[in-house]
Amino acid sequence: QSALTQPASVSGSPGQSITISCTGTSSDVGDYDYVSWYQQHPGKAPKLIIFDVNHRASGVSDRFSGSRSGNTASLTISGLQAEDEADYYCISYISRNTLENFLFGGGTKLTVL
Amino acid sequence: QVQLLQSGAQVMQPGASVKVSCKASEYSLIHNYIDWVRQAPGQGLEWMGRINPKSGDTYYVEKYQGRVTMTRDLSSNLAYMELNSLTADDTAVYFCARRPPLMMAGPCLDVWGQGTSVTVS
Repeated sequence: QSALTQPASVSGSPGQSITISCTGTSSDVGDYDYVSWYQQHPGKAPKLIIFDVNHRASGVSDRFSGSRSGNTASLTISGLQAEDEADYYCISYISRNTLENFLFGGGTKLTVL
Repeated sequence: QVQLLQSGAQVMQPGASVKVSCKASEYSLIHNYIDWVRQAPGQGLEWMGRINPKSGDTYYVEKYQGRVTMTRDLSSNLAYMELNSLTADDTAVYFCARRPPLMMAGPCLDVWGQGTSVTVS
């Protein structure tokens, strides 16, 4: 069981928009501005696309955007393209006293129909 | 182009140790934390811990404490992750990843190595 909850799969048609949720608690997602999102194509390393909840990484298309409401962060991809088909992971960083942790979501498989 | 270049795939016997290297290219290792993440076949990502290359300070996820050692060689711009007492459950792809400087972003992983496949059989 993952620390952060993501839907196992989402799908959309080219040109549509989709949103992937990432649900944590008031002690992680809801308490730190350190949620990041990663895209992973099969057999490849993950790639950072969003950091600090809603900042796009360098070179990432503005079709990708991040947001947060309460204990749930979201990744929205607009104008879906075939190349967006991949697995997406959210990560929340927490640090308390001597304990630090990257909490990962279980990943969401995006299918472009 | 900033890159992390990892060592090649390894097949290990149960009970053995594996040491994976991660070479920083086009930047100095000393400036950024290095984290290690693993991914079992068909599974999600799992954080193992991190090293501060400047000080050598490490933090390991409780699950791996006593079995993992993260080190660095600044003269060679290399980071290492060694995992002992391997079992079949350690079969996975192991990634090193870099954190950007805090002045640029909060804790995240902005550059990833290509991954090293470790098979325990």
